Amino acid sequence: DIVMTQSPLSLPVTPGEPASISCRSSQSLLYSNGYNYLHWYLQKPGQSPQLLIYFGSNRAPGVPDRFSGSGSGTDFTLKINRVVAEDVGVYYCMQSLQSLYTFGQGTKLEIK
Amino acid sequence: EVQLVESGGDLVQPGGSLRLSCAASGFSFSSYWMSWVRQAPGKGLEWVANIKKDGSEKYYVGSVQGRFTISRDNAKNSLHLQMNSLGAEDTAVYYCARLNSEWVSFDYLGHGTLVTVSS
Repeated sequence: DIVMTQSPLSLPVTPGEPASISCRSSQSLLYSNGYNYLHWYLQKPGQSPQLLIYFGSNRAPGVPDRFSGSGSGTDFTLKINRVVAEDVGVYYCMQSLQSLYTFGQGTKLEIK
Repeated sequence: EVQLVESGGDLVQPGGSLRLSCAASGFSFSSYWMSWVRQAPGKGLEWVANIKKDGSEKYYVGSVQGRFTISRDNAKNSLHLQMNSLGAEDTAVYYCARLNSEWVSFDYLGHGTLVTVSS
């Protein structure tokens, strides 16, 4: 199975400041079609997870443009250019390259 | 509007069985792979199982292989998860999820149903 490793696991951020979360995979997630099968989810407190970014860098419909995803192969990054209060929650990366999907451990973003 | 509504969660004794259901609406159910994702109390997300549009292919996380069975009824727009030989490690909120075939990621998840395995 592909192991997904996120860092940091806890991320205190001052409103208006940027935030960055790293996700590394134990195998390359780059498929022959040129897409990285790496996705980002946010689980806000008391809610179900919601898709933020698919294929590493594509924002899902309705996701604010302050969120961006980058990376390829085994190293990926989710960036929030200016954190607001509603961004609080746990962020997960997930791979879907193999038939057995796996999530990262999650990164808890909190407001300072 | 896409809706996924899970049901069937309950308190069950170790070694027992439970069947979860997910009622789908607002989209062409038979056109999508579907999945179950779970989250143990205070823990992260864990993918559990996928099922192909017509039910002909199924995939499971290793820890549930041989104990859980995912199935679907396209005529009734419903997804199911039969869980047998349940253990404390299966205690979790179970989410039904739609797999976006173009993005190969979950674009909708339900609100979840709680399964508690305890004596």
